[in-house]
Amino acid sequence: QVQLVESGGGVVQPGGSLRLSCAASGFAFSRYGMHWVRQAPGKGLEWVAFIWYDGNNNDYADSVKGRFTISRDISKNTLYLQMNSLRAEDTAVYFCAREYRSGFFDPDYWGQGTLVTVSS
Amino acid sequence: QSVLTQPPSLSAAAGQKVTISCSGGSSNIGSNYVSWYQQLPGTAPKLLIYEFTKRPSGIPDRFSGSKSGTSATLAITGLQTGDEADYYCGTWDSILKIYFFGSGTRVTVL
Repeated sequence: QVQLVESGGGVVQPGGSLRLSCAASGFAFSRYGMHWVRQAPGKGLEWVAFIWYDGNNNDYADSVKGRFTISRDISKNTLYLQMNSLRAEDTAVYFCAREYRSGFFDPDYWGQGTLVTVSS
Repeated sequence: QSVLTQPPSLSAAAGQKVTISCSGGSSNIGSNYVSWYQQLPGTAPKLLIYEFTKRPSGIPDRFSGSKSGTSATLAITGLQTGDEADYYCGTWDSILKIYFFGSGTRVTVL
């Protein structure tokens, strides 16, 4: 069965960096695009970034563009989110999610999420 | 601020029907499929509907989706207490190259 397990969350000071990981299993990781989606405490879902199945194209929300980088390691079946210049408003639970069909974007399977807290 | 507009909250009695609207534009709902997600408190979102009307395996037929122009709708019939959750629509925007989630609708079962 499809499993996505995020890790790497924690407490970081404003201006700091953090790298999130998402270990994927139960499907052909190299054939699917992958998303990062976040949810601030008490707020709605906010899409963060998407990487195409082949890793050759990435798309980002304006709120993170230039600060966050999405990447994937096919050999490790792992998705990453490198987060730099973190701000208080980046505090959220971060979910990784798989697109349901290559090229169609909508997420189907989601991980359980990892909490990132940006605070001094 | 999402480009997809949903009502903030809806409520109905157990056994009744609720419909949740998701209003967008020509470059998102008008050009791409819409999915619907259910998020129970403290859990990850769950896919309920994809490609406007299709249900993944295991999703009961009490949940249904439809599209009209640049809007999509999720209907829940035979409302149950376990349906109390936040519901989000989602779609890709072909011009902005961004995936949008709607603002979310909290459904309460009276």
